Amino acid sequence: QSVLTQPPSLSGAPGQKVTISCAGSSSNIGAGYAVHWYHQLPGTAPRLLIYFDTSRPSGVPDRFSGSKSGTSASLAITGLQAEDEGDYYCQSYDSRLSAYVFGSGTKVTVL
Amino acid sequence: EVELVESGGSLIGPGGSLRLSCVASGFPFTTVWINWVRQAPGKGLEWVGRVKSENQGGTIDFAAPVKGRFSISRDDSRNTVFLQMDSLKIEDTGVYYCSTGGFDHWGQGTLVSVSS
Repeated sequence: QSVLTQPPSLSGAPGQKVTISCAGSSSNIGAGYAVHWYHQLPGTAPRLLIYFDTSRPSGVPDRFSGSKSGTSASLAITGLQAEDEGDYYCQSYDSRLSAYVFGSGTKVTVL
Repeated sequence: EVELVESGGSLIGPGGSLRLSCVASGFPFTTVWINWVRQAPGKGLEWVGRVKSENQGGTIDFAAPVKGRFSISRDDSRNTVFLQMDSLKIEDTGVYYCSTGGFDHWGQGTLVSVSS
């Protein structure tokens, strides 16, 4: 049972926008800890997409954007492309567990 | 170019021990924290533990499921971090990744299979 809850799956047509939610609590996102987002393709390591809630590493397209409010965070993908398929994970720190925590993961399918 | 390379994964029986290695290059290793993250087959990511840099105390922390069974050490002269796994359980099966402190760089992972 993940501490951070994400929808199991989402889908969208090419060019559309999808938004992945990450629901936490007062001991992680709500406590102000940063949220980071990763994209993982089958059989490969995760890749950092968004760090410190809203920042993008160099090389990540501006189609990806992050936001945070209260005890939740979101990752928006605009102009969906076939290469955006895969699993997406949010991640933060939990003070009650004294541990880094990952979301349950969301599988994105491009129709 | 930043590179992390894990090794040491294998098939082992319950109760056994394994030591994984993570060799890093392309950045000032002594100043960087290193995390271990695992992924069970078909499941999500799970943080395992982390070692801080020596100049920040070299503090080591673990997730509850592995506390008391796993240990981490680092050899800055060899740009290497080790994950010592003892009293292995079937539920420890998965791909083990090492990553830099901010989870911004990851290795390719090494597979640990615990089975009788």
